[in-house]
This record gives sequence, C-alpha cells and structure tokens, in this order.
Amino acid sequence: NAGVTQTPKFQVLKTGQSMTLQCAQDMNHEYMSWYRQDPGMGLRLIHYSVGAGITDQGEVPNGYNVSRSTTEDFPLRLLSAAPSQTSVYFCASSDGPEKFGYTFGSGTRLTVV
Amino acid sequence: GNSVTQMEGPVTLSEEAFLTINCTYTATGYPSLFWYVQYPGEGLQLLLKATKADDKGSNKGFEATYRKETTSFHLEKGSVQVSDSAVYFCALTMTGGFKTIFGAGTRLFVKA
Repeated sequence: NAGVTQTPKFQVLKTGQSMTLQCAQDMNHEYMSWYRQDPGMGLRLIHYSVGAGITDQGEVPNGYNVSRSTTEDFPLRLLSAAPSQTSVYFCASSDGPEKFGYTFGSGTRLTVV
Repeated sequence: GNSVTQMEGPVTLSEEAFLTINCTYTATGYPSLFWYVQYPGEGLQLLLKATKADDKGSNKGFEATYRKETTSFHLEKGSVQVSDSAVYFCALTMTGGFKTIFGAGTRLFVKA
C-alpha cells in the first residue's frame, strides 16, 4: 500500500519557469489537499478537492493551479515560479478529514532562484 | 476565523522526562482536534485525534484530552525517548468540513 506518493522529492527552478508537482493516492480517498510548509508558519492550504472534477482555493492560492480529473491524482501547477514560492509542498488525502484526519505524502522541496 | 495556537519551541528534554505541549484553539463551532508528528525529512503522520468534547486520544504513549471549557488539546507523554524528537503540530477540522487548520508546530529535542 503506497499511500500518498509525491514526485519529485527535490526541484530547483529559475524564476519564471513553470512546473507540475505530482500527487497520487491509492486509497480511493475523496478529499485531497495541497499545503506549503514554511519555517514558523505551520502548514498553509493552497488548494483542495472534495472529489473528481471539484476543486477550490485555500488560504494561499495565488500562483498555483490544480485539477482533479481522477480520484487518484491531484497535480499542482506553478504557473510562473517566483522566489516566494520556495517552500516544502505536501499533498494529503482523506476519507473524511473530520473523522480520520489526513494521510500525507513525503513532500517536495522546491527552490526558486 | 478558526485558528490554532501552540506553544513556541524548541522544547528540550532529557530522556524519561514528562512532556507537555500546549495547544489552544478558536472555533465558531465544534471541531475535531488532531495531533500530527513530523520526523526529519518526512511528511506529517497522524498521531492521535479526538472528535468531541471530553474525548481522549492516545497513541504510542502520547495522550491529549479535548477540553471544550478551556478550548485546549494539550499533548502529554509520561516518559519521552530520544526517538520522540520531532516537530509536533496541533490541528482542527470543523464538523462537516474538510479544510484542516494547523498550528505553527513545536519542535521537540530529547537528549540521551
């Protein structure tokens, strides 16, 4: 049981480049979320999805896009990378967040230079 | 809005010491409360949870009790080990909701 798989684990981008962070889960969870983790700020919600075809913005959505064409996959797209997007990104999934909490991936460490 | 406040770290303890990490929350309704743990270089793992007032969550020797009257969910462990060194996050999810709000995290160092 792989759980939540994120790729790549590390990435360096130049300012203005675009890229997609991949996230896949094999638990048939309806709920999926993307968070960024910055020192001293905990985790901040970027985008979330409550099922295939349904996405919405979280606390810090600017500069990011998401889509959810299947239950399993929830990619995060950086449209034009900026140094302020240097962070560690976590994808998480759940079968019912208020009852069961979230299962997290191992993260992608992104540096924008 | 809803929020979670944790004690600032780092917290440094000797092995076998008693651990308390304070967590208080602000919420307009009745949230579920969680503690997550993050080991170096890894993602967060759910440590324990409580879904209603007076519930006690427990796992791996850690405990936390959902106190509605003090809006708190403090994490405790009677005897910490070096392997407990990690960052601990308190979090809440509103009833009927799916967005989870995290505290800033508390780093714990346990010395042998």
